[in-house]
Amino acid sequence: AQKITQTQPGMFVQEKEAVTLDCTYDTSDPSYGLFWYKQPSSGEMIFLIYQGSYDQQNATEGRYSLNFQKARKSANLVISASQLGDSAMYFCAMRGSNDYKLSFGAGTTVTVRA
Amino acid sequence: DTAVSQTPKYLVTQMGNDKSIKCEQNLGHDTMYWYKQDSKKFLKIMFSYNNKELIINETVPNRFSPKSPDKAHLNLHINSLELGDSAVYFCASSRRAGVASYEQYFGPGTRLTVT
Repeated sequence: AQKITQTQPGMFVQEKEAVTLDCTYDTSDPSYGLFWYKQPSSGEMIFLIYQGSYDQQNATEGRYSLNFQKARKSANLVISASQLGDSAMYFCAMRGSNDYKLSFGAGTTVTVRA
Repeated sequence: DTAVSQTPKYLVTQMGNDKSIKCEQNLGHDTMYWYKQDSKKFLKIMFSYNNKELIINETVPNRFSPKSPDKAHLNLHINSLELGDSAVYFCASSRRAGVASYEQYFGPGTRLTVT
């Protein structure tokens, strides 16, 4: 079974600064995928970024990057140059190679201050 | 041209009623899912269908019954609604089950309120 832990319930960040959201995971699956989703106050779930367990390089998508440390089983999301529109809840999720579902962490609420 | 759509977006009903939520995806994906997000925002899988075949059936009361008429549609029927069923229900789809790298695309969610 997969387990995802997000220990930061809420964070504040100043506009234009970077913020790091923590995510640790536990799995016995040798092959897995890690995902981050954004849920703004409007409620939809938006896919942000993906990291494969065998990927040698950290994933990046625009202002989002994933700091993947396999030995430590962590997959932290870094949002650079924060914008007011980044205020949302962020979920870390995981899927094993033999697993059909995504297992989600509890989420971290990010509030960007002007 | 919404990728994953759900109807209705809001559903307010009384205890004991039966209701359905519909989901459609136009992404050509093989696999569809239902997730439940509770009042604490925790997301949990309920069901998954791959090419109309049920592949995930988590510990969900029998009052919940999914139906997939074709691989582009996955509906959720709930009988005898209870107060504890109040939640946001998300439909999602992905290209193929069992591949870790395939992200899931979510619908806008259906907020169910049982009074």
